[in-house]
Amino acid sequence: QSALTQPASVSGSPGQSITISCTGTSSDVGGHNYVSWYQQYPGKAPKLMIYDVSNRPSGVSNRFSGSKSGNTASLTISGLQAEDEADYYCSSYTSSSTRVAFGGGTKLTVL
Amino acid sequence: QLQLQESGPGLVKPSETLSLTCSVSGGSITSSGYYWGWIRQPPGKGLEWIGSIYYTGSTFYNPSLWSRVTISIDTSSKQFSLRLNSVTAADTAVYYCARNWGSWWFDPWGQGTLVTVSS
Repeated sequence: QSALTQPASVSGSPGQSITISCTGTSSDVGGHNYVSWYQQYPGKAPKLMIYDVSNRPSGVSNRFSGSKSGNTASLTISGLQAEDEADYYCSSYTSSSTRVAFGGGTKLTVL
Repeated sequence: QLQLQESGPGLVKPSETLSLTCSVSGGSITSSGYYWGWIRQPPGKGLEWIGSIYYTGSTFYNPSLWSRVTISIDTSSKQFSLRLNSVTAADTAVYYCARNWGSWWFDPWGQGTLVTVSS
């Protein structure tokens, strides 16, 4: 069982916006601004999309945005495109000895 | 542009030791501010952080694996390595290496290498 909780799946139509949640505790998501998000296509390595809750690496589309409220972080993808169909994982630093926690992943389907 | 590449056997027998190496190119392995990490992903499952190492040799390990894991670094060869002892079928996974930034995000990642534990 993953330390961070994500919905198993979300879906949306092209052009719509979707949000993926990532729920943790005060030891991880809620206690630090060290949440990151990764996009993973089948058979490929994860790609960093958001770091430190809401920062986008160079080259990542501004359709991707991150936020946090309490113990829950969120990834929002606006203007959905077919190419956004992938698995998305959240991650957070944790003050427990585990150091890094990942969510179980969310499969995004673009209808 | 920094690139990482994993290498090592794709098949390991139960109870033996899994050994992988990550080669770093296009940048320095001794720059301050970040670690070098290993993450794995069992087939069809999520990501699990294994551990990370600083260029000085300082390490952090996932407590669930620490008794079986050793991560080392060879700065002269720009490589860091993973050893996982006493493997079982549960250790079958794609193993990734990645640069581990100070606030514990990972970028970039290697392409990953599938290691199967089977006799």
